[in-house]
Amino acid sequence: SQKIEQNSEALNIQEGKTATLTCNYTNYSPAYLQWYRQDPGRGPVFLLLIRENEKEKRKERLKVTFDTTLKQSLFHITASQPADSATYLCALAPGGTASKLTFGTGTRLQVTL
Amino acid sequence: DAGVIQSPRHEVTEMGQEVTLRCKPISGHNSLFWYRQTMMRGLELLIYFNNNVPIDDSGMPEDRFSAKMPNASFSTLKIQPSEPRDSAVYFCASTLSNQGGEQYFGPGTRLTVT
Repeated sequence: SQKIEQNSEALNIQEGKTATLTCNYTNYSPAYLQWYRQDPGRGPVFLLLIRENEKEKRKERLKVTFDTTLKQSLFHITASQPADSATYLCALAPGGTASKLTFGTGTRLQVTL
Repeated sequence: DAGVIQSPRHEVTEMGQEVTLRCKPISGHNSLFWYRQTMMRGLELLIYFNNNVPIDDSGMPEDRFSAKMPNASFSTLKIQPSEPRDSAVYFCASTLSNQGGEQYFGPGTRLTVT
């Protein structure tokens, strides 16, 4: 069956360091992969989308890589700040319009001073 | 734009009662999604609509759950009868299907069934 794995343990890092979150998947061939941020008591907020034919995508302090051979995406936040503390979800879609997303369970990031 | 609007924000009901959750998508979006989030199972897609037509309801847990989208600006998710295991946060999301699929989520409805 299709499976998306994100590290269920919280990631604790110091302010200013680079945070790296991992999303692994099995039995799936996504056309694209998305990353969302979720704060407590709120709905997920879209951050970045990367397509299967793209290796890397950047937006300000965020960088996403997508390796379809390894079936893995890495999400990096450089120069992390306490305001980056949240849960980060990866989501995979098979392609086409109005694609059905399958979400990972998310990784909680805590950035400390 | 006000974003996706959901009501109520919190709902507490007794087992066996009917529950109706409401969603207003972002104006101009033509796809709407209903999700359920729990600690155990994470964020699960229940059903989605494209141009007001249900496309995939394979995530709807059982016949007690039903969803409608009578027009482009309104959708409901109904649970009848409700059970304690339905307790979760229910999110509605919308998107413009030809823009790559990023979804815009509402604030969610926290449902507690006692």
